[in-house]
Amino acid sequence: DIQMTQSPPSLSASVGDRVTITCRSSLYINKWVAWYQQKPGKAPKVLISKASTLESGVPSRFSGSGAGTEFTLTISSLQPDDFATYYCQHYNGSPYTFGQGTKLEIK
Amino acid sequence: EVQLVESGGGLVQPGRSLRLSCAVSGFTLADFPVHWVRQVPGKGLEWVSSISWNTAAYADSVKGRFTISIDNAKNSLYLEMNSLTTEDTALYFCARGHDSAVTAYFDHWGQGALVTVSS
Repeated sequence: DIQMTQSPPSLSASVGDRVTITCRSSLYINKWVAWYQQKPGKAPKVLISKASTLESGVPSRFSGSGAGTEFTLTISSLQPDDFATYYCQHYNGSPYTFGQGTKLEIK
Repeated sequence: EVQLVESGGGLVQPGRSLRLSCAVSGFTLADFPVHWVRQVPGKGLEWVSSISWNTAAYADSVKGRFTISIDNAKNSLYLEMNSLTTEDTALYFCARGHDSAVTAYFDHWGQGALVTVSS
């Protein structure tokens, strides 16, 4: 099975900061990675698919990059609405493993 | 508009069974893979099961105990959960795969159904 190792587990930042979250897969998965944002009590929402494709309606301050085994999610200028938990996921076939999550908190 | 609505959660004793339902609208179940994903309160996301073109897949943690199925006439997805343990306590989400490919991310999610396994 493919393991997704996400870091850091938590991150404290301020409005306007640039932040980067990293995900590493245990096997080559081309670009089959999605990034999700989850707020307390809500379902996850997809932000990025195929490693770098921004979903419709997602602000352009979000971007994704990477291929193979190393992937990153970058938020260029944090906004108050961005404080949430973020998950990477591979979708290169089952089991569709998620990363452990990164909780982004206000400094 | 695509919507998924889970139901059937609740409190159940260890060793007993429970069936979750997910009513969908805005798309046809036969045309998209659908999944169950669970989340222990305060913890991360765990993929549980999927069904696509009548082919089911399961996480090792539930294989042999859980069964996924769909009823196209009722536009509904189900998860039959048997031999439940306290480790199955979680919020269970149903989610849709973006397209018919095996490599399809989860583009729409329900709001979740809470399953609590406790004596």
